[in-house]
Amino acid sequence: GENVEQHPSTLSVQEGDSAVIKCTYSDSASNYFPWYKQELGKRPQLIIDIRSNVGEKKDQRIAVTLNKTAKHFSLHITETQPEDSAVYFCAANNAGNMLTFGGGTRLMVKP
Amino acid sequence: NAGVTQTPKFRVLKTGQSMTLLCAQDMNHEYMYWYRQDPGMGLRLIHYSVGEGTTAKGEVPDGYNVSRLKKQNFLLGLESAAPSQTSVYFCASSFGLAGGETQYFGPGTRLLVL
Repeated sequence: GENVEQHPSTLSVQEGDSAVIKCTYSDSASNYFPWYKQELGKRPQLIIDIRSNVGEKKDQRIAVTLNKTAKHFSLHITETQPEDSAVYFCAANNAGNMLTFGGGTRLMVKP
Repeated sequence: NAGVTQTPKFRVLKTGQSMTLLCAQDMNHEYMYWYRQDPGMGLRLIHYSVGEGTTAKGEVPDGYNVSRLKKQNFLLGLESAAPSQTSVYFCASSFGLAGGETQYFGPGTRLLVL
């Protein structure tokens, strides 16, 4: 089945710096890659997603890139702010058309 | 519009006890899911439903049962709780299959099994 690995598990950046979180997946048939943000004690919420027919997608300060050949995708956050501090999860769809999630990255933005 | 709600928010069980977690959604979504969240392991799918009256096993179904008697409700049952089931449980729903649609999560249920 699908296996999604996410790195790093924790990431600390200074406010205003950029943050990059990387995920790799195993199933070459996967074609949908969402990212969820979970603030402390809250529910996960979708922040951006990308499908296999595009290589990059941007939404203000966040962007996601996809390399289907290498089977990896990344989340980029520019000009980080304290409110970006959260756990971020990547995911990929699997053979059953459900999602397989990565283990999560705890991002800490220091003011 | 409440979205996805879960009850209870927190529960402590003794080993061997049973309980039911309730998930409700008011978005008229066909698809509903139960996940468990453990540190460092992301969200793992327990069971899911593609419509009223249907259920299917996910990645980690052992020790759990589910029912979807009404479209808006999805129940997760633990017949005989074990300490390994200590976790945070999230319900989610989506308009289409999870593999291509936004999932909307509930606030979670924190379960401690002693």
